[in-house]
Amino acid sequence: DIVMTQSPESLTVSLGERATINCKSSQTILYSNNKNYLAWYQQKPGQPPKLLISWASTRESGVPDRFSGSGSGTDFTLTISGLQAEDVAVYYCHHYYSTPWTFGQGTKVEIK
Amino acid sequence: QVQLVQSGAEVKKPGASVRVSCKASGYIFTNDAIHWLRQAPGQSLEWVGWINTDNGITKYSEKFQGRVTITRDTSANTAYMELSSLRSEDTAMFYCARETYYYGSWGQGTLVTVSS
Repeated sequence: DIVMTQSPESLTVSLGERATINCKSSQTILYSNNKNYLAWYQQKPGQPPKLLISWASTRESGVPDRFSGSGSGTDFTLTISGLQAEDVAVYYCHHYYSTPWTFGQGTKVEIK
Repeated sequence: QVQLVQSGAEVKKPGASVRVSCKASGYIFTNDAIHWLRQAPGQSLEWVGWINTDNGITKYSEKFQGRVTITRDTSANTAYMELSSLRSEDTAMFYCARETYYYGSWGQGTLVTVSS
């Protein structure tokens, strides 16, 4: 199984500042079609996860452009540029390269 | 718009079975697979299994193999997950999700509580 390891476990950031979340896969999730099979989700309390980013860097329609994804192979980053109060949530990375699909353990983002 | 609507919360005794439904609308049901995921309180998400809604082929996580059965009813645009031999660690929120490689749409979740 591919293990997804996120860091940090929690993050406290001032409003308007940058939040950076890292995700490392135990093996490459870059397929031969040159696509990284990685997504990022945001989950607020009492809600299902919401897709933010697919293919490591493609922002979902309607997602604010302060959210961006980068990385390739085994190392990936979700960046929130200019944290807003509504961004308080837990963020998960997820690979869909092969079964079983697995998720990182989550990163909790809070306001300082 | 795409919607996945799940059945309501369940309370079950250890050893019992539970069946959760997931009704899809807003897209062609047989075009995309439906996956089921488990999220224990305060924990991350865990893949349970998936069903090809067109031909009914299923694949399950080894962790749940033998205890889980995923089916679908194409006439009702609905997928089902049945989990048997419930134990306390199955107390969790269960989600269905539409797969378009990643999970673009999710159900609202069904809380399953296992308690004697």
